[in-house]
Amino acid sequence: NAGVTQTPKFQVLKTGQSMTLQCAQDMNHEYMSWYRQDPGMGLRLIHYSVGAGITDQGEVPNGYNVSRSTTEDFPLRLLSAAPSQTSVYFCASRRQDSYEQYFGPGTRLTVT
Amino acid sequence: EDQVTQSPEALRLQEGESSSLNCSYTVSGLRGLFWYRQDPGKGPEFLFTLYSAGEEKEKERLKATLTKKESFLHITAPKPEDSATYLCAVQAGTYKYIFGTGTRLKVLA
Repeated sequence: NAGVTQTPKFQVLKTGQSMTLQCAQDMNHEYMSWYRQDPGMGLRLIHYSVGAGITDQGEVPNGYNVSRSTTEDFPLRLLSAAPSQTSVYFCASRRQDSYEQYFGPGTRLTVT
Repeated sequence: EDQVTQSPEALRLQEGESSSLNCSYTVSGLRGLFWYRQDPGKGPEFLFTLYSAGEEKEKERLKATLTKKESFLHITAPKPEDSATYLCAVQAGTYKYIFGTGTRLKVLA
């Protein structure tokens, strides 16, 4: 199993540009989520999904969109990038009957 | 308000010098407390889940314990390869996790 994979590893955007961060898992996990990690702050939940076609907002959803058309994939879209979205983004997944999350390697995003 | 506080922020140990990391929490309805290890440039790696006060889990040189207000991650005779940031998180709802800011551990040879 590859586990949770994320692409790209690094990305630089200009203010106002849009892009999609990719996340995929091959463990058949129902639950997937996106976090951002900023210096001096704990991981914060952006959006999550409990299955294909079902998504909901987390703690910091503004400026981000998600969709989940398959069990495996959970992309995160930045609609119009802002410098405040400079961060490291992590995707995570878990089984519905377990509380243990497994994280991807992260995407480091810089918005100038 | 649900909250997780980890201490110390950073810790330097000599190889073989045992110590403990602290995670104190305030949450209504704890469903689980988690410890993760995070290496630079990597995603958090799951270590332990603790569900109830008095529970203990062990893995190699690491031992996690839980009380009603805090958890400890004990590191016995650490090695340089144990150097990492250790994150604590609590599950405060079915889909809500609160993470601490972590303890950066450096073990010197």
